[in-house]
Amino acid sequence: KAGVTQTPRYLIKTRGQQVTLSCSPISGHRSVSWYQQTPGQGLQFLFEYFSETQRNKGNFPGRFSGRQFSNSRSEMNVSTLELGDSALYLCASSLAGVGNEAFFGQGTRLTVV
Amino acid sequence: AQSVTQLGSHVSVSEGALVLLRCNYSSSVPPYLFWYVQYPNQGLQLLLKYTTGATLVKGINGFEAEFKKSETSFHLTKPSAHMSDAAEYFCAVSDRSGGTYKYIFGTGTRLKVLA
Repeated sequence: KAGVTQTPRYLIKTRGQQVTLSCSPISGHRSVSWYQQTPGQGLQFLFEYFSETQRNKGNFPGRFSGRQFSNSRSEMNVSTLELGDSALYLCASSLAGVGNEAFFGQGTRLTVV
Repeated sequence: AQSVTQLGSHVSVSEGALVLLRCNYSSSVPPYLFWYVQYPNQGLQLLLKYTTGATLVKGINGFEAEFKKSETSFHLTKPSAHMSDAAEYFCAVSDRSGGTYKYIFGTGTRLKVLA
């Protein structure tokens, strides 16, 4: 059974640009969550999607957005990149329902220069 | 609001020694609790989880954790450390009420294993 796949693994972007990251969840998982990981802030929740609907959102500015497609694949977009957006972005998928463990992808390392 | 506190951002143990990584949570209802491990430039891998039932939970790679409601703790232990255990460990709680579906992670503990 394939795991969670995130593409690309590494990205370098310039300040002011926008970026789109992709996540393919485990087959059958309809819940997809995104996290930002930085040395200073740790793991911070961005948002969670289920059946193409955003169910929960973390405390991030509107420059961070996401969506989920009918096949449960998800994308997140960051517009007007700032240096502080440099981070490891992790996607996790899980079965519906609280208490089911999240399975994480390997992440996308975004560097903003 | 739920929260997770991991005591000690860095822990060093000798190979063969006991590993103890501490996690305390704050929750108004009995939580779902998780321990994850992260190797450099990798995602998080589930070690073990507590939902209901037996309070001593066994996970992969010889790790186990005990849910202690009275102490609001979920400490991770391994009797004998191995060099391959060197990684960062995260404790997490999943909201069990209100219909929200997110994990709240602790700030992580980096485990170093000394030869």
